[in-house]
Amino acid sequence: GQQLNQSPQSMFIQEGEDVSMNCTSSSIFNTWLWYKQEPGEGPVLLIALYKAGELTSNGRLTAQFGITRKDSFLNISASIPSDVGIYFCAGPPLYNNNDMRFGAGTRLTVKP
Amino acid sequence: DTEVTQTPKHLVMGMTNKKSLKCEQHMGHRAMYWYKQKAKKPPELMFVYSYEKLSINESVPSRFSPECPNSSLLNLHLHALQPEDSALYLCASSQVRNNEQFFGPGTRLTVL
Repeated sequence: GQQLNQSPQSMFIQEGEDVSMNCTSSSIFNTWLWYKQEPGEGPVLLIALYKAGELTSNGRLTAQFGITRKDSFLNISASIPSDVGIYFCAGPPLYNNNDMRFGAGTRLTVKP
Repeated sequence: DTEVTQTPKHLVMGMTNKKSLKCEQHMGHRAMYWYKQKAKKPPELMFVYSYEKLSINESVPSRFSPECPNSSLLNLHLHALQPEDSALYLCASSQVRNNEQFFGPGTRLTVL
């Protein structure tokens, strides 16, 4: 299936620091989605991106849809302890709008 | 109502049992999904229903049988499962032409 390469695999940061993670694909995506998952819960949608070059913010979170349509990044500014969780990028391949693929995830730990 | 509900929250079953997982949403979404998630891995798409019809089956073994009785409900019937089928099973829904999937909290399945 379509591979999404997400990095870094994990991050250990101090409260107040900024965080950046990214996702790349060998194929073009029409949509990039960023989800957060906490233990025992389902993923929660953070940001959806639909246009190449689009930059979208949701509070302290900012995500961008790469110009080539093969990558996306997510930034978290001024991290707080409740940012802890696993962040996934996701998206459907160009040929099938409902066939959602997920990156491997970035596990974020925030030290108070 | 912007919630996807799943029952049961936990399920333990033997390899000869038959059980069903249930998912419900009242957001008017006409696309519904089943995912399997193993520990420390991303969700893997199993099935997609679009307008109550199965549109994607990601080569899932026949011991998993999905059913979409109406636009609000999605079931996953389980029969003769194997221990390696133990995982978190997530349900999600979205509009058909929009990839913003809303996930339920999942059913934690253990097969003995």
